[in-house]
Amino acid sequence: GAGVSQSPSNKVTEKGKDVELRCDPISGHTALYWYRQRLGQGLEFLIYFQGNSAPDKSGLPSDRFSAERTGESVSTLTIQRTQQEDSAVYLCASSPGGSINQPQHFGDGTRLSIL
Amino acid sequence: QQQVKQSPQSLIVQKGGISIINCAYENTAFDYFPWYQQFPGKGPALLIAIRPDVSEKKEGRFTISFNKSAKQFSLHIMDSQPGDSATYFCAASLFRGDDKIIFGKGTRLHILP
Repeated sequence: GAGVSQSPSNKVTEKGKDVELRCDPISGHTALYWYRQRLGQGLEFLIYFQGNSAPDKSGLPSDRFSAERTGESVSTLTIQRTQQEDSAVYLCASSPGGSINQPQHFGDGTRLSIL
Repeated sequence: QQQVKQSPQSLIVQKGGISIINCAYENTAFDYFPWYQQFPGKGPALLIAIRPDVSEKKEGRFTISFNKSAKQFSLHIMDSQPGDSATYFCAASLFRGDDKIIFGKGTRLHILP
């Protein structure tokens, strides 16, 4: 379909390894968001992109977390030296951007498990 | 001032009953209040949304009631069905050019068959 696509859907890795999570937004959506959702918890904002720029990185929990976006399309969230507390579902959302009150469209997330 | 407080944390309702989830906010500049529904293993999906210039919005069995003076809004699900069992998030946004949405912590709703 034409929704937000995230990959991989599941990722299991050992503590200390680096991981890359990918988000393909809806075509034409200029705004892109990353969230973290711990088990049974709400949505924790991580970072927001408008185009390829990230005007709001306020939610990144540490310098082990980084994200980039290229071509005003695909975004990758990278977690370096993973820790067990990084285990969560990472959700990506996109919206048309550029105007008021645009709903966000979410992908189904990447479930990250750190052993 | 940027928080959205949601209650209850979990809710059990009999089939056919009314499910009510409440939210409160502080920032009077918020100008858009969406509700999202999330099923296990899926991302949240927009359910219904309201702007502060109206006091109620209804879509099928789902109704948002909005009280601007009290800075509160609520979701009512009429004739609740087992298929409505999901986690519901209220949210609020403030247009600053980034459409950033502040989410409540969610309510786990279970409808008994």
